[in-house]
Amino acid sequence: AQKITQTQPGMFVQEKEAVTLDCTYDTSDPSYGLFWYKQPSSGEMIFLIYQGSYDQQNATEGRYSLNFQKARKSANLVISASQLGDSAMYFCATDRGSTLGRLYFGRGTQLTVWP
Amino acid sequence: DVKVTQSSRYLVKRTGEKVFLECVQDMDHENMFWYRQDPGLGLRLIYFSYDVKMKEKGDIPEGYSVSREKKERFSLILESASTNQTSMYLCASSGSGTPYSNQPQHFGDGTRLSIL
Repeated sequence: AQKITQTQPGMFVQEKEAVTLDCTYDTSDPSYGLFWYKQPSSGEMIFLIYQGSYDQQNATEGRYSLNFQKARKSANLVISASQLGDSAMYFCATDRGSTLGRLYFGRGTQLTVWP
Repeated sequence: DVKVTQSSRYLVKRTGEKVFLECVQDMDHENMFWYRQDPGLGLRLIYFSYDVKMKEKGDIPEGYSVSREKKERFSLILESASTNQTSMYLCASSGSGTPYSNQPQHFGDGTRLSIL
């Protein structure tokens, strides 16, 4: 089974609108972390936001928030007030309880923001 | 800020050559990783290391080896380069921690490797 699933290969959103990028994960460990990364066309991977499995509240970082639904094993990224510079590939990842720092990445969602 | 530096941004080599990709991090991180990234396939882990001289195979180790003689440096070696190893290679590092600890991986800018 896929450890991390991103079902949306591509998403489009108009500038200033909010957008949700989907991510579901598979792990049997009770303690794990979830991460989102952004990769612009220039290629660098930029860490955006982290959610721990025991965190009581959804993580937020500026315009990014994580809609964490533990029972559904879902960790969707919400970007509010989209900007043209948000156009990029977005990757969801989980450590699946690894103590060695290993992350399992989804295949990514290409977000395009149009004016 | 964490800095992960990959030795080359672009590299062109010939089939059969032995190729070295170097990665250096400046944050005293225990863990280091090598990925390759191909369109539609996301990031696939080749090898990782959680300590000096320690290594673990990832999902696609065939045709690759690694070396970690010093904590800050992690090298990826293509023993005999082939055209199907043309790809983007990304190095990353992270601090040690238990699960449920915020230890993201920090990435280098990547090396676009072409094997002709």
